[in-house]
Amino acid sequence: NAGVTQTPKFQVLKTGQSMTLQCAQDMNHNSMYWYRQDPGMGLRLIYYSASEGTTDKGEVPNGYNVSRLNKREFSLRLESAAPSQTSVYFCASSVNSKNTGELFFGEGSRLTVL
Amino acid sequence: KQEVTQIPAALSVPEGENLVLNCSFTDSAIYNLQWFRQDPGKGLTSLLLIQSSQREQTSGRLNASLDKSSGRSTLYIAASQPGDSATYLCAVDDMNNNAGNMLTFGGGTRLMVKP
Repeated sequence: NAGVTQTPKFQVLKTGQSMTLQCAQDMNHNSMYWYRQDPGMGLRLIYYSASEGTTDKGEVPNGYNVSRLNKREFSLRLESAAPSQTSVYFCASSVNSKNTGELFFGEGSRLTVL
Repeated sequence: KQEVTQIPAALSVPEGENLVLNCSFTDSAIYNLQWFRQDPGKGLTSLLLIQSSQREQTSGRLNASLDKSSGRSTLYIAASQPGDSATYLCAVDDMNNNAGNMLTFGGGTRLMVKP
């Protein structure tokens, strides 16, 4: 039972470098999400995909792009990393985006931008 | 904008105690409220989900209640064990989420249960 799988688990970048965080779920969920978790700020939604083929901005989308590759996969891209993007990133999924029901999270990707 | 607050931010108790974690929210127009557990360096695991029409949910030693009108939820942990040590977060699924913030999370309560 893999659930939600994120890669990589750890990454160190230099300012200005780019990278993509990958996320896949095997629960046939329609909706997928990217959150970031920072001390004192809690969990904040970056982008979400209500269903395959759609993506929408969350609370803190600046500096990020996303792609819903298919129903299973939802990637998050940092085009030009900044130290303010140092954080722990979580991918999550749910059956639907309205009245989301139970939310399932990945293990997290710890990103440091120097 | 929905705001979710959890008090206390940290709690340390001896093993065997019954304890209550609190969560309050400002906008009662919610679909549901979830309680999550997060172990250090790990992702979040959903513990209990209470629909807006429900008053409580139970799973083993955990019982979560919801009072939507007062904007409060409590997570009751019976006979606490060292293995319960973790951070507990609550989150509300907001009906007025036009801004795209699908769930609004509280800051969490960091629980330590001492043997």
